[in-house]
Amino acid sequence: SAVISQKPSRDICQRGTSLTIQCQVDSQVTMMFWYRQQPGQSLTLIATANQGSEATYESGFVIDKFPISRPNLTFSTLTVSNMSPEDSSIYLCSVVAPSTDTQYFGPGTRLTVL
Amino acid sequence: GDSVTQMEGPVTLSEEAFLTINCTYTATGYPSLFWYVQYPGEGLQLLLKATKADDKGSNKGFEATYRKETTSFHLEKGSVQVSDSAVYFCALSRSSGSARQLTFGSGTQLTVLP
Repeated sequence: SAVISQKPSRDICQRGTSLTIQCQVDSQVTMMFWYRQQPGQSLTLIATANQGSEATYESGFVIDKFPISRPNLTFSTLTVSNMSPEDSSIYLCSVVAPSTDTQYFGPGTRLTVL
Repeated sequence: GDSVTQMEGPVTLSEEAFLTINCTYTATGYPSLFWYVQYPGEGLQLLLKATKADDKGSNKGFEATYRKETTSFHLEKGSVQVSDSAVYFCALSRSSGSARQLTFGSGTQLTVLP
């Protein structure tokens, strides 16, 4: 398995500001994923982050709005830029544990934009 | 493309009742299948998984069998507890190039009453 931590666990932000979410894993992993879970909804993949290359974004998500960094094999950040109330969601980091096909999830960051 | 269809919720049961949450999928090839659980205010936790046809995943009294002939992965528990109250997500995983992406169902809210 993999143990994943996220910071912050929750935040309340003002419209127009940006928030950077950190994800730390207890083992080296090739791919890290960022998901969004809007209130009462299922999970939607935002992007896949590989170390040493640019993140791959899913349809409907762009780098200017959700820039991602992946400086090493255990860490990634997701920034939610120029926030609006529609960005209020839970943002989850996920990894595939080494030698498995199982994704494990962090505890999530609960973001509220006023 | 791949898709996962879950039983509509919410589901409300009395303690010790039998639980079934239906899940069917559409995918080419042989995906891996998962059930994740999200307790109130928390991130997703892997509950159980099955990687090939006729496999049975089990954990904490929950079971699900990978049925390729009916493309189903229904979640069952013989006797639910109040502590099982949560949202349950069915998901499938397929490898696409170097990525392993999860496709989630819409989630089923379960409430167990004492």
